[in-house]
Amino acid sequence: AQSVTQPDIHITVSEGASLELRCNYSYGATPYLFWYVQSPGQGLQLLLKYFSGDTLVQGIKGFEAEFKRSQSSFNLRKPSVHWSDAAEYFCAVGSGGSYIPTFGRGTSLIVHP
Amino acid sequence: EAQVTQNPRYLITVTGKKLTVTCSQNMNHEYMSWYRQDPGLGLRQIYYSMNVEVTDKGDVPEGYKVSRKEKRNFPLILESPSPNQTSLYFCASTSLGDSTPEQYFGPGTRLTVT
Repeated sequence: AQSVTQPDIHITVSEGASLELRCNYSYGATPYLFWYVQSPGQGLQLLLKYFSGDTLVQGIKGFEAEFKRSQSSFNLRKPSVHWSDAAEYFCAVGSGGSYIPTFGRGTSLIVHP
Repeated sequence: EAQVTQNPRYLITVTGKKLTVTCSQNMNHEYMSWYRQDPGLGLRQIYYSMNVEVTDKGDVPEGYKVSRKEKRNFPLILESPSPNQTSLYFCASTSLGDSTPEQYFGPGTRLTVT
């Protein structure tokens, strides 16, 4: 069965600093990988997704993520964080066939001015 | 505008009083699902549906029912709600025909059972 681990429950960064949110997955074949963002009081919005091809994926809001098969990771990065990026971030992994993604427990991002 | 809608957005009810949370999507998606979100636990899938009249249990189905009589609607039914079902609920839909399918989420329904 597939699983996702987000090791960091909370991350605090200063506005303008770089950001990396970690995501590790467990799945035998090539997974489908996603990052979602949930702003306070809102639903989940897709930031980016990886299915195949280039392992560096560009998303919305200036985010990117890199699929590293050797490390079973799909970390989310942003070079310069804005206060509006404060939110909950979820990594998810899916698989071919039935496509039922499994979500990580989320990482809460706090941005200091 | 492509969207998933849920109603109500907020609901406070009492133990044992049957309730239904509606979910509707206007994208002609085959796949729909319900999640609950609890602090520290992330999103856990309750039920999903691959198409009309095809539903299946997710990870936490106990105490919930669903139906899929029309492609666009996927209501979540709590026949006898209990306080441990107090949670934030999300409906989502996906087009299985896409080469890179992604889930579209509704805005959420915050349910409190007293």
